[in-house]
Parts: sequence; structure tokens; C-alpha cells
Amino acid sequence: EVQMEDSGGGLVQPGGSLRLSCVVSGYTFSIYEMNWVRQAPGKGLEWVSYISSSGETIYYADSVKGRFTISRDNAENSLFLQLNSLRAEDTAVYYCVGSGYEPMKYWGQGSQVTVSS
Amino acid sequence: QSVLTQPPSMSGTPGQRVTISCSGSTSNIGRNTVNWYQQFPGTAPKLLIYRGDQRRSGVPDRFSGSKSGTSASLAISGLQSGDEADYYCAAWDDSPNGRWVFGGGTKLTVL
Repeated sequence: EVQMEDSGGGLVQPGGSLRLSCVVSGYTFSIYEMNWVRQAPGKGLEWVSYISSSGETIYYADSVKGRFTISRDNAENSLFLQLNSLRAEDTAVYYCVGSGYEPMKYWGQGSQVTVSS
Repeated sequence: QSVLTQPPSMSGTPGQRVTISCSGSTSNIGRNTVNWYQQFPGTAPKLLIYRGDQRRSGVPDRFSGSKSGTSASLAISGLQSGDEADYYCAAWDDSPNGRWVFGGGTKLTVL
């Protein structure tokens, strides 16, 4: 069974930083693309970032470009998202999402990020 | 404003068939894969349909997907009270760089 354990969320002041982690098990992590998707309170889903299986190709949503950094450690079956220069509008539940044969198939339980003074 | 357009809400009665639409463009639905997700309050989304019309293993055949041109649809037949949830479409978008785009979500109410 595939399990994706999100962690690292919390309360941070505007301008602050957080690092989200996602540890994956039951799944050949190293051969699949990964994404981060977020959901603000009461709102819909918003894609945040993509990383290829090797880590060589990376894309970001315009709303986070230059502030967030996606990375992965295939040896540790882990995905990361470094969040810098946080704003109130970044408040959301952040999900790590893994592809398999089916794109964007596996979702973590989500990490709550709250940006507030 | 979401890149993909879905109706914000729909409703149906038990046993009825409902169809949720998702409208996009040539850079996303027009030439790329489309996924459909189901989300219950307080939980992570669950993949129902991928590549437009492929049901994920374990998803009842009451759920079906289709795609035509730059639009996609999710049909739910034999509606049940347990189908009351939010439904999202998603597609890979080629422009200007790669990205996933989502619809705004459709809240389905079973009356």
C-alpha cells in the first residue's frame, strides 16, 4: 500500500519560512513525477510545483515562483518544499501528490500552513 | 479565477444520472490528460478518472469520464447519498511552461 506522509506545516509570521516534507513508502518513488498542490480554507485546489523523477525538470506556479523551492531525495524516498517570504495568501493545506501509471494519483494527508502575525 | 471552468454546484436525487462539465482550452484539455477527483470535507482528494476516461482501480463503474475537444465531463449514474462531495477536474497545461491546472470544483448535493 502506498503511503505519503506530509509533515512540516505550522504557524509562521508573514515573511517567514517553512520546509515541508513528504516521505513515501510502498512505491518506487525514484521513477515517478511528484507535485505539490495546496488548498486555501474553503477554496479549491491550486497546483504549486512539479518535479520530474530525476529532479532535472521543475515547474512552479506564478504565485510562488521565486519564493518556493521544490526538491527531492530519491535515496530517502522524500519530497520537499521550501517556503520562503510567506504571505497571508499562502495559508492553505499543502498536499504532496505522486504520479504512478496514473498521473497525480497518490495524495498525502496534507500539512496545514498558516501565515499570520 | 480557475483555468478550467466547472459549474460551482449541482444537485440530483438518488438513482439519477448527473454530468459535471469541465471546459478548458487547446493548451490543456485539448491535447493533454484529464483527471477527475472526489473530495469529502476534511480529507484529501481521491483520483476517480485519469486520461479522460480511465477509471482508477476500485472506482465503481457508475463513474465515467469523457473528453471532446477542449471539454471534459464526469458522469455519475445511479446517484447515491454517499456521492455527495466536491468534484474537481484537472489537466496538464503546456503553456507557457508546464503546469497542472484545476477547475474551481463542483459541489454535488444529493437531495
